[in-house]
Amino acid sequence: SQQGEEDPQALSIQEGENATMNCSYKTSINNLQWYRQNSGRGLVHLILIRSNEREKHSGRLRVTLDTSKKSSSLLITASRAADTASYFCATDSGSNYKLTFGKGTLLTVNP
Amino acid sequence: EAGVTQSPTHLIKTRGQQATLRCSPISGHTSVYWYQQALGLGLQFLLWYDEGEERNRGNFPPRFSGRQFPNYSSELNVNALELEDSALYLCASSLGQGSTGELFFGEGSRLTVL
Repeated sequence: SQQGEEDPQALSIQEGENATMNCSYKTSINNLQWYRQNSGRGLVHLILIRSNEREKHSGRLRVTLDTSKKSSSLLITASRAADTASYFCATDSGSNYKLTFGKGTLLTVNP
Repeated sequence: EAGVTQSPTHLIKTRGQQATLRCSPISGHTSVYWYQQALGLGLQFLLWYDEGEERNRGNFPPRFSGRQFPNYSSELNVNALELEDSALYLCASSLGQGSTGELFFGEGSRLTVL
């Protein structure tokens, strides 16, 4: 079963705009991670936020976590055409450790 | 340093056959994970191996099995292939059991069942 659910399923923006993707989950977590996948390829880790953190930055990425609402958001600022990819959130609930992934948000950045 | 490597890149089989997929983790990583990514279904957790033992298994039938070798490489076997087994199979590795850090993924093996 899916733990995380990304929203929206697809997002299309112009280069230079900001892109915001959301993730909701159901059970308590140890941490939440965001990954990126270029078409049909392997996933690349972007950022990890622990359950006791509220916000984290990495370059043009900003992740927030609201454990009371069981939700997270990923913001990509000043997007580029090269940011076109699918973005997945993944939750670690600490139970026999496994990462559970959502279905992803397909981001298209138009030049 | 080499990343996670998977082979074969592509594999075509017919219904009822068996498929074997292989994965070599990053040097020093003892945990290997297998995920299935079928079209439109996101990533589904299949198996987790650590130190040669199966630690966790996803909601898949027993015809999905695997093992981890002493050098921490891993093999995923799918018996009695069905059409719906067509998917991208992703392997990932991480530091050992209990690590809650990032997973490092390979480029995947695309299995097509005809």
